[in-house]
Amino acid sequence: SQTIHQWPATLVQPVGSPLSLECTVEGTSNPNLYWYRQAAGRGLQLLFYSVGIGQISSEVPQNLSASRPQDRQFILSSKKLLLSDSGFYLCAAASGESWDQPQHFGDGTRLSIL
Amino acid sequence: RKEVEQDPGPFNVPEGATVAFNCTYSNSASQSFFWYRQDCRKEPKLLMSVYSSGNEDGRFTAQLNRASQYISLLIRDSKLSDSATYLCVVIAGSYIPTFGRGTSLIVHP
Repeated sequence: SQTIHQWPATLVQPVGSPLSLECTVEGTSNPNLYWYRQAAGRGLQLLFYSVGIGQISSEVPQNLSASRPQDRQFILSSKKLLLSDSGFYLCAAASGESWDQPQHFGDGTRLSIL
Repeated sequence: RKEVEQDPGPFNVPEGATVAFNCTYSNSASQSFFWYRQDCRKEPKLLMSVYSSGNEDGRFTAQLNRASQYISLLIRDSKLSDSATYLCVVIAGSYIPTFGRGTSLIVHP
């Protein structure tokens, strides 16, 4: 079964600082990978997804970027954080064998911008 | 119309009650359906897949109605530990699942 590792669990950053969140996946090859953000009391907002190394699709224009340097590594970055970037960031993985597989989530990173 | 809609609730039920949630979807090409559970300040966790013939896992039963384009989740004999937000997820022929906003369930003693 898949295991999704995310770190850190919580992060407090000042406005204008950079960000790097890392997600690694075990137990599957060629997974489809996803970054979501969830604001307090709200639904999941898909930020980026990737179906392979170096392949990134962005769902929402913003000051965030994503990279997939290795098959089972997905990184979310920002050069300058905004107050509106606060939220609960979740990495998810799904088997790449077919498009209809369920996602499994990491524990998430709770990001607070001051 | 939103692609996937859920009644946000909260559904407030006593222990032992039976409760059902519906989730409607707008894309008739939708092929895969799932229910997730999300506890407060935690990640969503896969509860069960929803098959065309319906499926059951202990106290939980999921059903799909393609004609009316909705899926349902039935919880029997509710426990305090069932309190959570239940998310429905629909996939329609792409790698991008569509999540509902979730239905909140509160089970009280």
